[in-house]
Parts: sequence; structure tokens; C-alpha cells
Amino acid sequence: DTAVSQTPKYLVTQMGNDKSIKCEQNLGHDTMYWYKQDSKKFLKIMFSYNNKELIINETVPNRFSPKSPDKAHLNLHINSLELGDSAVYFCASSQFALFPGGGELFFGEGSRLTVL
Amino acid sequence: AQTVTQSQPEMSVQEAETVTLSCTYDTSENNYYLFWYKQPPSRQMILVIRQEAYKQQNATENRFSVNFQKAAKSFSLKISDSQLGDTAMYFCAFMKRSAGNQFYFGTGTSLTVIP
Repeated sequence: DTAVSQTPKYLVTQMGNDKSIKCEQNLGHDTMYWYKQDSKKFLKIMFSYNNKELIINETVPNRFSPKSPDKAHLNLHINSLELGDSAVYFCASSQFALFPGGGELFFGEGSRLTVL
Repeated sequence: AQTVTQSQPEMSVQEAETVTLSCTYDTSENNYYLFWYKQPPSRQMILVIRQEAYKQQNATENRFSVNFQKAAKSFSLKISDSQLGDTAMYFCAFMKRSAGNQFYFGTGTSLTVIP
């Protein structure tokens, strides 16, 4: 049973289209994230939600809109796609480390978005 | 703000040899965690090892161990008896322990294990 699952795994679309990537975690974690990994493999935080509340909103175009209907889900919607949006998008989750151990990020398998 | 620096963009090592990947970080926090993640060509991000800052003892996981120097803000990863399956990108990460853990990643080191 996959801990963090995101769909779709691959997405090819035309410039100007709108697309969504869905993410679900079954770990009971209270924090979820979206990361963007570009062609140079740099991992950049985009958004973070803690208990459905947005806590990190890095400088990303407002064409990107996250939505967290509940603690277990964090979806990413992208409007008016541009060539520069092509990347791998990772969803991840973590739990506040109250005790020794824990706290690490659990990643989904990534969604490769290609904008033509 | 926290920064994580990996000064080695690419490294290679002969199979069965030992290699060390370097990582330094900058923070004024006292309560934090450090991680090494591995990303093989399959692109899945896999946790390799974790270190809590309050622990002086270096973490080890089988062939993987760290050299954690808190005063120097250094967190290097040593891979012993390198295997072909160790070929991957390795990311060092700093986590500020707070409600909604905040993670900061280095730029990665691409490691190739040569048969």
C-alpha cells in the first residue's frame, strides 16, 4: 500500500492548458508539500500545508494553486501552462517530530510534466 | 534562513571502494534534523540516513554512515563497499523542527559507481 501516491505519473500537454496533479498520503501525517525538480535536479519547495492550513508559499506564479481538502490530500492545479513549467513535481508528507525519530519526508514517485 | 551546500556536483567511485559526500549547512537553530536522500534513475526519493542534532553519536545504516560535526555545521555521508546500485543523486537536507517541518535541500551530488 503506497504511503504517498500522486497521479498522474506522466503528463504531456500543450501550452495554455490547465492541469491538475493529485496527491494522497495514508501515513496520518499532518504536513504535506509540493516540490518542483527542474532539469538540473534542483529541488525547490513550492507549498506546504499543515493540517490543511497553508504555511509555506514560496515565490511561484499564481497560476499554481494548491488545494488541501483534508489532511490526507494535497492537490496542485496549474493554469495556463508554460514551457518553463516542464519539470518533475513531487508531493511529500512529514509528521512533526515529537519524539526521537520521525520527521523525515516521505515522497511520492513524482509526476513528470511536459509542456509542448 | 537556512542554507545547505553540497560542493561536489559529481563524484565517482570504484565498486567496493569507499566514498564520502560532503554537506555543510548554515543555521542559527539548535533543534534540527539532518538527512541524506538518494534519488536513483527511477527518480524515487529514498531516505538513506537521519541525524538528530542533539545526538553526538554519528548515525549509521549498514554501509552508510555520517560524520556530523555540529560546531563546524558539517554533515558528510560515507558509503562503504560501494555497489552499482548506489549510483544516484544524493541530496543533503536540513529540517527545522517546528509545526509544519520546514526542509531545506542542497543542490545534490551525482554519484556514479564504476564496475
